[in-house]
Amino acid sequence: NAGVTQTPKFQVLKTGQSMTLQCAQDMNHEYMSWYRQDPGMGLRLIHYSVGAGITDQGEVPNGYNVSRSTTEDFPLRLLSAAPSQTSVYFCASSWGQGNNQPQHFGDGTRLSIL
Amino acid sequence: AQKITQTQPGMFVQEKEAVTLDCTYDTSDQSYGLFWYKQPSSGEMIFLIYQGSYDEQNATEGRYSLNFQKARKSANLVISASQLGDSAMYFCAMREGVGNDMRFGAGTRLTVKP
Repeated sequence: NAGVTQTPKFQVLKTGQSMTLQCAQDMNHEYMSWYRQDPGMGLRLIHYSVGAGITDQGEVPNGYNVSRSTTEDFPLRLLSAAPSQTSVYFCASSWGQGNNQPQHFGDGTRLSIL
Repeated sequence: AQKITQTQPGMFVQEKEAVTLDCTYDTSDQSYGLFWYKQPSSGEMIFLIYQGSYDEQNATEGRYSLNFQKARKSANLVISASQLGDSAMYFCAMREGVGNDMRFGAGTRLTVKP
């Protein structure tokens, strides 16, 4: 079972570069989300999607774009990388939008911006 | 405003003893779900246990139990018979209403001593 797959696992960028973090799930989950994890701050929500074609902003959306053209894929785009975006990024998914649904996480992408 | 508060940045416990990790939350919704996740040093997020706001019994999953005190808005995780492999970061999270995202606390780092 693949579950939630994130690529790449590690990436180093220069300030101003753009890149896309890939996320795919094979569980037919409606709900997908992106978080960033910084020391002492837990996980903070960047963007989320309740289904194909629908996205919305979380707590810290600035500097990031998302799209959801299929149920399976939810890529996160950094438009112009900044050192403040150095973080570990997690993609997650759940079966539905209900508050009894745990989220299933990918293994994370460790991103460094120089 | 912080929705989830974990007041213990770090905790130590002796192997085979029980430990309680604290979590308080803030919500005006009547319907919500509370979750605990474990993050070992390898970095993945592992779902441990869920408690619904309408559940009258405390949730249990093996050595994990959730001490749910609704009036006090607390959802503490109890780990019984601690093992060395329990050493990890533990995150409390909440999902409110319907169609809403999952918010996380800052986490507690648990170290189990031999």
